[in-house]
Amino acid sequence: SAVISQKPSRDICQRGTSLTIQCQVDSQVTMMFWYRQQPGQSLTLIATANQGSEATYESGFVIDKFPISRPNLTFSTLTVSNMSPEDSSIYLCSVEGRGQRHTGELFFGEGSRLTVL
Amino acid sequence: DAKTTQPPSMDCAEGRAANLPCNHSTISGNEYVYWYRQIHSQGPQYIIHGLKNNETNEMASLIITEDRKSSTLILPHATLRDTAVYYCIVRVKGTSGSRLTFGEGTQLTVNP
Repeated sequence: SAVISQKPSRDICQRGTSLTIQCQVDSQVTMMFWYRQQPGQSLTLIATANQGSEATYESGFVIDKFPISRPNLTFSTLTVSNMSPEDSSIYLCSVEGRGQRHTGELFFGEGSRLTVL
Repeated sequence: DAKTTQPPSMDCAEGRAANLPCNHSTISGNEYVYWYRQIHSQGPQYIIHGLKNNETNEMASLIITEDRKSSTLILPHATLRDTAVYYCIVRVKGTSGSRLTFGEGTQLTVNP
C-alpha cells in the first residue's frame, strides 16, 4: 500500500487567484494521478504526472489552467489557476499500488477541498 | 475501459448482507472488475478486484457471472460504517497510466 498526504486539506480562495496543492507519497512511484470531484459528482481524471516528463492531460483539461509539477518520484503539485467558483471541488491525488498483489489498485489521498468565492 | 451500470442507491439493514450489483456487458477478456468505495469526505478506498473467479478478502466478496457481463459485491455483515458510495470499474490490470474511469456509483446506506 501507499500513504499519500495532501496539503492543504481545505482552503477558501478568492476568484482570480491561484492555489497549489501538494501531494507527498511515502514510497517512490512512477506515475501519479490527479482527479477532481465536483460537488455531488463522481471523480474525473485531470491528468497523469510522470517524473521527468510533461503531464498528460485528459480531454477538457489544459496545462494553462492546471499546471502540474513532478520534481521527483515521491512528490507532485497541482495548481488551479485563475480560479472561478466553478473550480470549487475536491482535488485528489492517487498512485498505483506496487507489487504483484497491489498492481492495478489505486491509493488515494484524502483530498483537498477547494471553495472559490 | 468498459462502461459499467450500477443502481444509484441501495439500503441495507445493519448486520445483514449488502449485495451491490454491477453490469458490464461490454467487458473485454483481459479487463478486470475493480470495486472502490468512498466514504463521505474521504478519498476512495480499494475494496477488491477479480477477473473471472470469485474473490474474497477481509472486506468483501466479489461474485462474477460466468459470462463476466455482471458482478456483485457482497458485504457479508454490513455496519453503519459501510455507508458510502461504491464504484464498480472495469479496466485492464497493469496497463500504463492506470487510468480509472469512475461512473456514478451506488450510494449504499446502512440503516440501524
